[in-house]
Amino acid sequence: EPEVTQTPSHQVTQMGQEVILRCVPISNHLYFYWYRQILGQKVEFLVSFYNNEISEKSEIFDDQFSVERPDGSNFTLKIRSTKLEDSAMYFCASKDGGFADTQYFGPGTRLTVL
Amino acid sequence: DAKTTQPPSMDCAEGRAANLPCNHSTISGNEYVYWYRQIHSQGPQYIIHGLKNNETNEMASLIITEDRKSSTLILPHATLRDTAVYYCIVRVAGLTGTASKLTFGTGTRLQVTL
Repeated sequence: EPEVTQTPSHQVTQMGQEVILRCVPISNHLYFYWYRQILGQKVEFLVSFYNNEISEKSEIFDDQFSVERPDGSNFTLKIRSTKLEDSAMYFCASKDGGFADTQYFGPGTRLTVL
Repeated sequence: DAKTTQPPSMDCAEGRAANLPCNHSTISGNEYVYWYRQIHSQGPQYIIHGLKNNETNEMASLIITEDRKSSTLILPHATLRDTAVYYCIVRVAGLTGTASKLTFGTGTRLQVTL
C-alpha cells in the first residue's frame, strides 16, 4: 500500500539554524500539507500546497517557514532560523484529486531545537 | 466547519466492541463526518467518513443518527493496537481543486486493556 514517507525521523538543531524537513507524498496525489504537534498538544495545520503554490497557511506559518516541491516527488518544509518553540513533531500529508478529504499522513519528523 | 464534542477518554476490554461517540449538533447539510486516529506520536491515520448513511470498512463502522447531530465510531473487536486518540472531524468535503485543511480537536483517548 502506498504511503507518505518523511526524513529524517528525528532532527536535532541549534537555535537559529536552518532546517529542512523532507516528505515524499503518495505518487499520484495532488494536494500536500504540513502539520505540527507540540508535545502534549493538538495537531495544528501549518500550510497546504496545490498546483505548485500555497493554498492556505496558518498564523504559525510566518516568514521563517517556506515550502517547496523541488521535483516531482519531494515536498519540503524549511524553517529558516529555528526557535526553541519550533520543537515539535512535523507531519506531512497528501491527498488525491478526488472529492473526499481523506488525507494520508507520514510518520512525522521530531524536531528538537536546543 | 461544525464544532464537535467527544469524551476525553474511554476504556475498552480487548475483544469487545469499542463505541466512540461524537456530538456535532451544529452540522450542516453538506458537512461530512470524518474519523482519524493517532497512535502514540505517529501521524494521524484516516479511519472512515460518512455523510448521512452508515458506513463500514475493514477498520470500523460509522453510525450517524438520522438528524445527523451525533455519530458513533465502532471498532467491532478492539485489540491492544487500537489504543490511540480518536478524532471526530466535521467538514465540508472539498471541491476538486481545493486543498482544505483538517482541524483537530483533543479527541477521545481510547485505552484497550486485557
